[in-house]
Order: sequence, then C-alpha cells, then structure tokens
Amino acid sequence: ETGVTQSPTHLIKTRGQQVTLRCSSQSGHNTVSWYQQALGQGPQFIFQYYREEENGRGNFPPRFSGLQFPNYSSELNVNALELDDSALYLCASSSQGSGANVLTFGAGSRLTVL
Amino acid sequence: LAKTTQPISMDSYEGQEVNITCSHNNIATNDYITWYQQFPSQGPRFIIQGYKTKVTNEVASLFIPADRKSSTLSLPRVSLSDTAVYYCLVGGLGRSNDYKLSFGAGTTVTVRA
Repeated sequence: ETGVTQSPTHLIKTRGQQVTLRCSSQSGHNTVSWYQQALGQGPQFIFQYYREEENGRGNFPPRFSGLQFPNYSSELNVNALELDDSALYLCASSSQGSGANVLTFGAGSRLTVL
Repeated sequence: LAKTTQPISMDSYEGQEVNITCSHNNIATNDYITWYQQFPSQGPRFIIQGYKTKVTNEVASLFIPADRKSSTLSLPRVSLSDTAVYYCLVGGLGRSNDYKLSFGAGTTVTVRA
C-alpha cells in the first residue's frame, strides 16, 4: 500500500507569484485535505475535497484554491503569494465514512516566499 | 469551528505514563476527537480517535468525559522514541454539511533517560 506523496518537497517563490503543489492519495482513499503549518505551530485546515468537490474549508482567502482529480490526487494552488504564505503545506488523504478524521499525511511541501 | 487548547510542553522519563489533556469547550455534536504525533520534517501520524468514553489501542488510550469538552491522551511507559509533538484534532461534518477541522497548537513531549 503506497502512502501519501507530495511534490515538490521544497520551493522558493517571490511575493506576487503563483504556486501549485501536488499530492497523490494513499491507495483506497477517496478524500483529500490540505493544511498550512507555520514553523512551530499546529496545522491549519485549508480545505477538503471529496468526489472532486470541495466539501469543507477553513479560514483561508479565495486565493487558496484546489482541485481533486478522478484518481483522487489533488492540487493546491495559491495565487498572489504573500510573505506570510511561507510554511509547510501538508496534504492528507482519508476514506470518507471510515473514521471521520483518520488522516494519512504526506511529508509536506516547504514553501518559502521572498 | 471548535477551538482546541493543549499544554505547550511536557517532560517525562522513560517508562513513565504521559497524559496530555486537550480542551475543546465548543465541540459540536458531529465532531470526533483525534490525536496525532509529529516528528521533525515529517507529516503528522495518526495515534487514536474517539467520540466519547474511553478508547484504547496498542499504543495509547483516549479518555473523553461525558460532556466531551476535553480529552486526555495517555501514553503508557514512554520511551525515548516517543519524544515528539502531539496534536489534538477536533472536527467533523458541520450543520451546513461541510467539514471543519481544528488542530491544537501541539504539545512537545520530551522523554529523558
């Protein structure tokens, strides 16, 4: 059984640019969620996708958007990057209905905004 | 969105039991309580989940009182490898049929020999 994989592992962008992060779900999982984790803090829920539709969102502005594909992989897009967007972005997959918050996380994508 | 509060840090020694309490006063009816462990440069790893009363698995126990406004993760007989950050997660399907999830700020547990 493959786990959750994220790419890229590290990237550097400048303020105002756009970034796309990618995530492959664990085999058998149909739900994916994304989190922002600033240094020394807990993960903050960005949004969740199920059946290619967003079915939950945290307190993040619309410039944070996502997609889920038919194979359950996902993308996180962030437009108009700000310095405060520098963080570790975590993707997690789960199986809807088999334990509400039993999440399998990837190792994350470390984004630095200069 | 349930706000979760947990202690910033705890110290322990090998072989002792560690108990970490998370407060979640405004937990909603559909919310579950889940605990995760995170090591540096890794994503969080699932430990245990519960809704009410007590849940036990091979690595931990979770105690949830009847009012569900708090929960306590119990790690029996910790070892040096249990040194990590532990997060409480509260959330579930909200009234408007959308998911809301809230992590605590994390408790750094340091186990000494």
